[in-house]
Amino acid sequence: GESVGLHLPTLSVQEGDNSIINCAYSNSASDYFIWYKQESGKGPQFIIDIRSNMDKRQGQRVTVLLNKTVKHLSLQIAATQPGDSAVYFCAEIFSGGYNKLIFGAGTRLAVHP
Amino acid sequence: DGGITQSPKYLFRKEGQNVTLSCEQNLNHDAMYWYRQDPGQGLRLIYYSQIVNDFQKGDIAEGYSVSREKKESFPLTVTSAQKNPTAFYLCASSTQTDNQPQHFGDGTRLSIL
Repeated sequence: GESVGLHLPTLSVQEGDNSIINCAYSNSASDYFIWYKQESGKGPQFIIDIRSNMDKRQGQRVTVLLNKTVKHLSLQIAATQPGDSAVYFCAEIFSGGYNKLIFGAGTRLAVHP
Repeated sequence: DGGITQSPKYLFRKEGQNVTLSCEQNLNHDAMYWYRQDPGQGLRLIYYSQIVNDFQKGDIAEGYSVSREKKESFPLTVTSAQKNPTAFYLCASSTQTDNQPQHFGDGTRLSIL
């Protein structure tokens, strides 16, 4: 079936450490993935995306890794800051017909000083 | 600034009442979407529209209705048939091009009186 899930519901890290948030997807035909950040009371904010023809993509302090063999996606945040505290969602897009997003339940990242 | 505006931020519904949530975008996007988010869960698709005067049911359309008379606007009505309407409602938009991210508004929180 179609599903996107996350391994860890809550991740606690120390300020300055690197964070890794993991995600599993089930549809091997999906060809586009997005990471969103959602702060309390706000809508999801786009962080970074990756297409299935790539293994890795880097942004500012963030890196997304895609392992199509095991259908696994991860988001790495370097030098985690208190402002990174939020819920992070991975989403899978089925591009046939329309850009339908399939979301997992999310991982809460808590950054401690 | 280009973006998506949802209003109101908080909304209360009485028993048997229909309420309408507003979503306006000035991103010139063709496609618009409505999602429902329950506590600790991911987003679920209610309705989507790929073009003016056309819309399609998502995964949980029962008890909801939409219209798309203008490109910029995609209002959602929560009808009295929706027996469990308390949730956070998110509107999004995107271009029609395949594999493009959806951009979200900051949501409307609907509660029952």
